[in-house]
Amino acid sequence: KAGVTQTPRYLIKTRGQQVTLSCSPISGHRSVSWYQQTPGQGLQFLFEYFSETQRNKGNFPGRFSGRQFSNSRSEMNVSTLELGDSALYLCASSWGTVVGGTEAFFGQGTRLTVV
Amino acid sequence: SQQGEEDPQALSIQEGENATMNCSYKTSINNLQWYRQNSGRGLVHLILIRSNEREKHSGRLRVTLDTSKKSSSLLITASRAADTASYFCATDRDRDDKIIFGKGTRLHILP
Repeated sequence: KAGVTQTPRYLIKTRGQQVTLSCSPISGHRSVSWYQQTPGQGLQFLFEYFSETQRNKGNFPGRFSGRQFSNSRSEMNVSTLELGDSALYLCASSWGTVVGGTEAFFGQGTRLTVV
Repeated sequence: SQQGEEDPQALSIQEGENATMNCSYKTSINNLQWYRQNSGRGLVHLILIRSNEREKHSGRLRVTLDTSKKSSSLLITASRAADTASYFCATDRDRDDKIIFGKGTRLHILP
């Protein structure tokens, strides 16, 4: 059974640009959640999608958005990149919602560097 | 601000010893989960404990939850070199269903 796949693994972008990250969940999983990890702020929850609907959202500005497709694949978009957006972005998939306590399986992450 | 705070921030023990990490949180929760992360890679789910449970076991792992003290502990018994990693607790706040992670405990198992 294939795990959670995140693409790309590494990305370098310039301030002001936008970026789209992709996450392919484990087959059969309907929930995809996204997280940002930085040395300063640690791990922070961005949002969770379940059956194409955003179920909940962390405390991030509107520049961070996401969507989920009918095949459960998800994308996360960050517009007008700032230096502080440099981070490891993790996605996780689960059968049910993460906030409901379902075990989440994480991908290896996308390392975004903003210069 | 972070909901969960792990204690200690870093821990080094000899292989074979037991490791105990603690997590405190601020508001009422639905459940608490522990995760392991190796060298900035993806997280691995270890165990979930619900707010109405007090203790759970999984292999060498034992998790306790004290809702009156808003704290949880993770015990790893008979530690191995492969247990070297960062350990995070994550809480699901019942007032808004947000997942909040603690800052993590870096565990180093010495040979």
